[in-house]
Amino acid sequence: DGGITQSPKYLFRKEGQNVTLSCEQNLNHDAMYWYRQDPGQGLRLIYYSQIVNDFQKGDIAEGYSVSREKKESFPLTVTSAQKNPTAFYLCASSLAGGTGELFFGEGSRLTVL
Amino acid sequence: GIQVEQSPPDLILQEGANSTLRCNFSDSVNNLQWFHQNPWGQLINLFYIPSGTKQNGRLSATTVATERYSLLYISSSQTTDSGVYFCAVNFGNEKLTFGTGTRLTIIP
Repeated sequence: DGGITQSPKYLFRKEGQNVTLSCEQNLNHDAMYWYRQDPGQGLRLIYYSQIVNDFQKGDIAEGYSVSREKKESFPLTVTSAQKNPTAFYLCASSLAGGTGELFFGEGSRLTVL
Repeated sequence: GIQVEQSPPDLILQEGANSTLRCNFSDSVNNLQWFHQNPWGQLINLFYIPSGTKQNGRLSATTVATERYSLLYISSSQTTDSGVYFCAVNFGNEKLTFGTGTRLTIIP
């Protein structure tokens, strides 16, 4: 089945550790996105990528890093520099950035203890 | 600045009732989508509707781009309709801007 797979679904980490969230899509989409959602809030854009080997900062990129070495994959690393990393992280993709229809994975819930 | 506002923020209805959710945006749009976030957090695409009207079962949506608003109609509500509804708008750049959402609760 075509779709977006995020892993892990739940992740617990100690403060000060870097964690990497995986996002893989088999929709042949060019654009991929990472959003953060805090309880009761909307979605905020962390990073996005329109094409392989290129990515741009979103509205809240500080403390995060990404890579886009393959079209299908867009992993997000939450670094120890992110002051408040506990959140729900959503990966999305679209055929064409901005104007294309956006599809989401099921999300990864990160809790930092 | 660029704004996407949704109303009402919260809505509680009895099963079987109809509802209208509104999304206002501050500039002309290339893309507008409606999503439903279920209680498990998953975001489901409802409509891709930069203009015009679409219907899918009990749900329909209308976007009037010249007046900068979109409406999502839910008829004969069911408990499974509960969750948060987001509209997201593209203003001609590479990304979507999300509204703050409407939390819908359907009571049996």
